[in-house]
Amino acid sequence: EAGVTQSPTHLIKTRGQQATLRCSPISGHTSVYWYQQALGLGLQFLLWYDEGEERNRGNFPPRFSGRQFPNYSSELNVNALELEDSALYLCASSLHRGRGTEAFFGQGTRLTVV
Amino acid sequence: GDSVTQMEGPVTLSEEAFLTINCTYTATGYPSLFWYVQYPGEGLQLLLKATKADDKGSNKGFEATYRKETTSFHLEKGSVQVSDSAVYFCAPRREGSQGNLIFGKGTKLSVKP
Repeated sequence: EAGVTQSPTHLIKTRGQQATLRCSPISGHTSVYWYQQALGLGLQFLLWYDEGEERNRGNFPPRFSGRQFPNYSSELNVNALELEDSALYLCASSLHRGRGTEAFFGQGTRLTVV
Repeated sequence: GDSVTQMEGPVTLSEEAFLTINCTYTATGYPSLFWYVQYPGEGLQLLLKATKADDKGSNKGFEATYRKETTSFHLEKGSVQVSDSAVYFCAPRREGSQGNLIFGKGTKLSVKP
C-alpha cells in the first residue's frame, strides 16, 4: 500500500512568487494535515482538512492557504513568498479524526525561497 | 493553547547507554499521546502511542507511560544503538476541532559507537 506522497520533492522560488505543494493521502484516509518544519523550530501546525472541510488552522498569515479535493488529496498554497518561508513542508494523513488515530507522514517538500 | 515541552538536546550517548527523553504537555481535555521519530532526511514515523492514563506504549525497545497526574509521557530505552540516532517528537492529540497533533521542537539524539 502506498504511503503519503508529496510533490514536488524540492521547490525553489523567488521572493514574492507563489508556491503550490501537493499531497496524496493513504488510500481511505479522509484527514490531511500540513506542517512547516523550519530549522530549529520543530513542527509548526499549518492546516487540517477532513472530508473536504477545513477543521483547524494554525497561527500563520492568510497567504498560507489550501484545500482538499473530493478524492481527499490536498494542496497547500503559499502566496507572496518570503525568505523565512524556506522550510520543509510535511503532509500527514489519518483514517479518522479521533484523538487516538495516528497520522502517517510523507517525506516532505523542501521549499527554498531566494 | 495546547503545547509540548521537551528537552531540546542534542542528547549524546554512547551505544548501550540508557535513554530518557522527558516530555510534558498542556492540553485541554483528555488527549492521546504519541511519540514520533524522524531519521535524517526522512519524514516522521510513529514510534508508539498511549490513549489513556497509565497505558504504556512500546515499540522497538522504546517505552513511554501516560502519566495523567503529571501530564507527562517520558520516552525510555534501556540500551540505545547507533541506529537510534534521530530526532524524537512528543505529541498530544485531543478530540474536537483542535484535534490535530501538536508538536514541540523535538529532541535530537546522537548515539556514538
